[in-house]
Amino acid sequence: DIQLTQSPSSLSASIGDRVTITCRASQTVKKWLAWYQQKPGKAPKLLIYEASSLQYGVPSRFSGSGSGTEFTLTISSLQPEDFATYYCQQYSLYSRTFGQGTKVEIK
Amino acid sequence: EVQLVESGGGLVQPGRSLRLSCAASGFFFDDYVMHWVRQPQGRGLEWVSSITWNSNVMDYADSVKGRFIISRDNAKNSLFLQMNSLRPEDTAFYFCAKDVDRSSPHYFDSWGQGTLVTVSS
Repeated sequence: DIQLTQSPSSLSASIGDRVTITCRASQTVKKWLAWYQQKPGKAPKLLIYEASSLQYGVPSRFSGSGSGTEFTLTISSLQPEDFATYYCQQYSLYSRTFGQGTKVEIK
Repeated sequence: EVQLVESGGGLVQPGRSLRLSCAASGFFFDDYVMHWVRQPQGRGLEWVSSITWNSNVMDYADSVKGRFIISRDNAKNSLFLQMNSLRPEDTAFYFCAKDVDRSSPHYFDSWGQGTLVTVSS
């Protein structure tokens, strides 16, 4: 199975900060990577698919980049509603795995 | 609006069985691959199983292979997960999730709110 490793596992940031989360795959997943946001007690919400495509309705401060084995999720200016846990997920071939998550907390 | 509503969770003893259901509405159910994803409380997400639109292909995580069976009833817009030989490590919230494709599993663009399964004696 393809393993995904996110870094950092958690971070503290202030409103307005630029935040970057990295997801590394144990082997290439080409561009087949998605990002989700999950708030406590809620279902995950799709943010980004195909590494860099913004899901409809998601604010443009969210962006994704990368290909192959290294990917990033960037929040250009952190807003109060962005404090949550973020997961990457690969969908290469018939394999689907998630990263372990990155918790974004208020500094 | 897409709606996915899970049911069937609860407390069950190790070794017993449980059947989860997911009622779908707001989209053409038989046009999409459907999935089950689980999350132990306070921990990360784990994909469990997927089924293509016509039930021709079912796929399972190694952790549940041989114990869980996914199925769907397109006439009733419903997805199911039959969980047998349950173990304490199966304790988690179970989410029903919709794919963006009908034949090949990709990513999940809609999720239910989840149903809690607790395996304990």
